[in-house]
Amino acid sequence: NAGVTQTPKFQVLKTGQSMTLQCAQDMNHEYMSWYRQDPGMGLRLIHYSVGAGITDQGEVPNGYNVSRSTTEDFPLRLLSAAPSQTSVYFCASRWFGGEQYFGPGTRLTVT
Amino acid sequence: GQQLNQSPQSMFIQEGEDVSMNCTSSSIFNTWLWYKQDPGEGPVLLIALYKAGELTSNGRLTAQFGITRKDSFLNISASIPSDVGIYFCAGRSYGNQFYFGTGTSLTVIP
Repeated sequence: NAGVTQTPKFQVLKTGQSMTLQCAQDMNHEYMSWYRQDPGMGLRLIHYSVGAGITDQGEVPNGYNVSRSTTEDFPLRLLSAAPSQTSVYFCASRWFGGEQYFGPGTRLTVT
Repeated sequence: GQQLNQSPQSMFIQEGEDVSMNCTSSSIFNTWLWYKQDPGEGPVLLIALYKAGELTSNGRLTAQFGITRKDSFLNISASIPSDVGIYFCAGRSYGNQFYFGTGTSLTVIP
C-alpha cells in the first residue's frame, strides 16, 4: 500500500492564482481531512469528508474548497491564493474510530 | 478550535538520556495518539491509546493514557540521534474530532 499520497511536494504561487492540491489514499478509508501546519501552532483542520459526496468545514475553511467524488481522492482547491495561505498542508485519512494517517505534505508559498 | 497543551516545547538532551513529554486537554478524550514528524515529512504514528490508564510500549517508547482522560505522557528511553524530530500528541473527542498539540522539538546531542 502506498498509504496517503500528496502532490505536489512544493509549490510557489503568486497572489490571486488558483491551484489544486491533490490527495489520494489506497486504504479504503471513509474519512479524509486536510490540515494546515504553521509554526508554533498545532495542526488546524481545513475541511474534511466522511465519505464520497460528503464534505464539511473544519476550523479554518475560508479560501479553500473541497470535493470528494471517489473514496480514494480528496483534492483541496485554493480559489485565489493569499500570502496568509503560505503553509504546509497535510492530507490525512482514517476509518471511523481509527487513527489518522498523514501524507508527506505540500509546502506552499504565496508571494 | 481546541489546541492541546504540550510540554516542553523543546528539549536538548545527551544521547543515552531518557525523555519525557506530556499533553493536557481541557476536555476528555476517548483516544490519545503520539506522532513523530521528521523535517520535511508528514507525521508518522508512533503509539495509539484507547483506554484510560492504558500503558503501551513501542520499542524504547512508552505512552500512557491518563486516568482523568485529559492527559497523556510519552517517554523515550536511552535516546539515540535518530530520535531527533518533533513529537506531537493528538486526542480524539467523543464527537470523533481530532485535536493536536503544538509539538515538542527534540534534539539529541551525540
